[in-house]
Amino acid sequence: DAKTTQPPSMDCAEGRAANLPCNHSTISGNEYVYWYRQIHSQGPQYIIHGLKNNETNEMASLIITEDRKSSTLILPHATLRDTAVYYCIVLKSGGSNYKLTFGKGTLLTVNP
Amino acid sequence: NAGVMQNPRHLVRRRGQEARLRCSPMKGHSHVYWYRQLPEEGLKFMVYLQKENIIDESGMPKERFSAEFPKEGPSILRIQQVVRGDSAAYFCASSPRDATYEQYFGPGTRLTVT
Repeated sequence: DAKTTQPPSMDCAEGRAANLPCNHSTISGNEYVYWYRQIHSQGPQYIIHGLKNNETNEMASLIITEDRKSSTLILPHATLRDTAVYYCIVLKSGGSNYKLTFGKGTLLTVNP
Repeated sequence: NAGVMQNPRHLVRRRGQEARLRCSPMKGHSHVYWYRQLPEEGLKFMVYLQKENIIDESGMPKERFSAEFPKEGPSILRIQQVVRGDSAAYFCASSPRDATYEQYFGPGTRLTVT
């Protein structure tokens, strides 16, 4: 699986959009970009995933650059409850499609 | 629709005792995954089970650890003769279909070995 690079921490004001970047310059054609988050002392939570098109769901939007070497997770109106560690993971399709491994991620702190 | 349930939420065991961690998947989910998160480390896959079958236990330590998902009842992660290094948060996740990264996690069981 391709390696990802995320900033270790970010701050965001409550009510503003939070834009979390992720670099995955070695991503290959059959690899998806997945985002999870983990609120302190809770289990990880699936947010969204995409291959090459931009994706949106009730939680967030995922913008993937045309060359697929980076992506941005957007929380349109951040709330205090969105304070969490956000993990960007690149995962192959096919084979063992279930083993999740999280690295350091980005600690997003939403401030009042 | 209730989420993934895990109990107990906190478990304290002395060295040499047994720890039993339970996981009830979301309604309609028949695939269960167990993960371990050591202090200050990332999440690591341990085992993937379907009802009555272990599909992949490649992340399980070779000794003392076992998992099951019986036809009826919750999935159980069992750790025999616990040691201090087993202290960690153990998370269970479930999915409605097989071999997917879209997994729904429980709140975890925090095991402390004294």
